[in-house]
Amino acid sequence: KAGVTQTPRYLIKTRGQQVTLSCSPISGHRSVSWYQQTPGQGLQFLFEYFSETQRNKGNFPGRFSGRQFSNSRSEMNVSTLELGDSALYLCASSLGGTADSGANVLTFGAGSRLTVL
Amino acid sequence: GESVGLHLPTLSVQEGDNSIINCAYSNSASDYFIWYKQESGKGPQFIIDIRSNMDKRQGQRVTVLLNKTVKHLSLQIAATQPGDSAVYFCAEKGKSGSNYQLIWGAGTKLIIKP
Repeated sequence: KAGVTQTPRYLIKTRGQQVTLSCSPISGHRSVSWYQQTPGQGLQFLFEYFSETQRNKGNFPGRFSGRQFSNSRSEMNVSTLELGDSALYLCASSLGGTADSGANVLTFGAGSRLTVL
Repeated sequence: GESVGLHLPTLSVQEGDNSIINCAYSNSASDYFIWYKQESGKGPQFIIDIRSNMDKRQGQRVTVLLNKTVKHLSLQIAATQPGDSAVYFCAEKGKSGSNYQLIWGAGTKLIIKP
């Protein structure tokens, strides 16, 4: 079956702009998690959505937001971009049957690489 | 706060030898651990997981060992192949507020020497 699909794969923005990233999970997966990956900070959890509701949230400012649609596809948005937002943004899906998201194996997409100039 | 860390940021291994990647965790209440492999240009890929009621779990060419006494986790890869070249992440299930999250280590880069 198809894996997790993220679009776009690469994008370049300038400071102050906003960006929207998209994630299509594996069919049947209801949980979608977003991560930011940078060389200095590693994998940082942004948020998790399950059945269109944000179930869990990491320690990122309000400029980072997301949503999930009824077909489980998810988008994340970053407003007022800063240079430090340059990173690989990874989406992962799982069955997510319980609120204990850490117990479910995540399947990751290839990521969206954002460069902020 | 609680964290997961790796002892070695880079590990070079001869092709055909066994690889051991180590990971220390600090939350003694963690009850679930997982290893992921990330190849260049790809997202992390699940390798193997283990729950705290076990001390060893084997997969295909991989073994995860858990030592709760010293809060140490290791991933052993048998007969390392060129395709094993990647960054390996350990993660533990930790609590943040009232929710659980996977807390990720910094990663270890495994280099296979021909």
